[in-house]
Amino acid sequence: GAVVSQHPSRVICKSGTSVKIECRSLDFQATTMFWYRQFPKKSLMLMATSNEGSKATYEQGVEKDKFLINHASLTLSTLTVTSAHPEDSSFYICSARDPGSSYNEQFFGPGTRLTVL
Amino acid sequence: GQNIDQPTEMTATEGAIVQINCTYQTSGFNGLFWYQQHAGEAPTFLSYNVLDGLEEKGRFSSFLSRSKGYSYLLLKELQMKDSASYLCAALDSNYQLIWGAGTKLIIKP
Repeated sequence: GAVVSQHPSRVICKSGTSVKIECRSLDFQATTMFWYRQFPKKSLMLMATSNEGSKATYEQGVEKDKFLINHASLTLSTLTVTSAHPEDSSFYICSARDPGSSYNEQFFGPGTRLTVL
Repeated sequence: GQNIDQPTEMTATEGAIVQINCTYQTSGFNGLFWYQQHAGEAPTFLSYNVLDGLEEKGRFSSFLSRSKGYSYLLLKELQMKDSASYLCAALDSNYQLIWGAGTKLIIKP
């Protein structure tokens, strides 16, 4: 199957700093990538849909200015958590849809665990 | 509104069979996925159904009834490594994935 990488896998930062998470599709071009957030023992919560070359579409309740998404190329999307606070601590997962896949499935990156002190 | 329902938690014995049910209500329908997620890891794809019927893949099978808005994931010959959360997700008319909350499967020796 298609491979999606995510970097970093873990990050610990101080409150007030910004953190950038990268999501890359390694062996396919992803016109659409998705950013999820997952709290412990909860399901995935879609934050935004990232489309290459255009603005991201944010889900209701997700602050655009706090969670900046850039999808500058067909293989890279970035999520920047600006002025992070302890309540932003979570598991962030990206996924990408492979247009060549017969199943329309999303391939997930390994996730980034963010801890804000 | 769009909704996915699946049990929160199930327990089964090693070597046995377990069926995890999922019901869905979506705006349009373009298929149903099952993903496996181990604690602290990202989900991995298990199966996809878009037509009615049973799809078998090794120890795992997935069933879909579009008229009933119902799917199940069947796991046979359970192994300890099958302990994980199993996520049901339906693809709506906009090809947006609508996720269930996941079923935590606990396997006991």
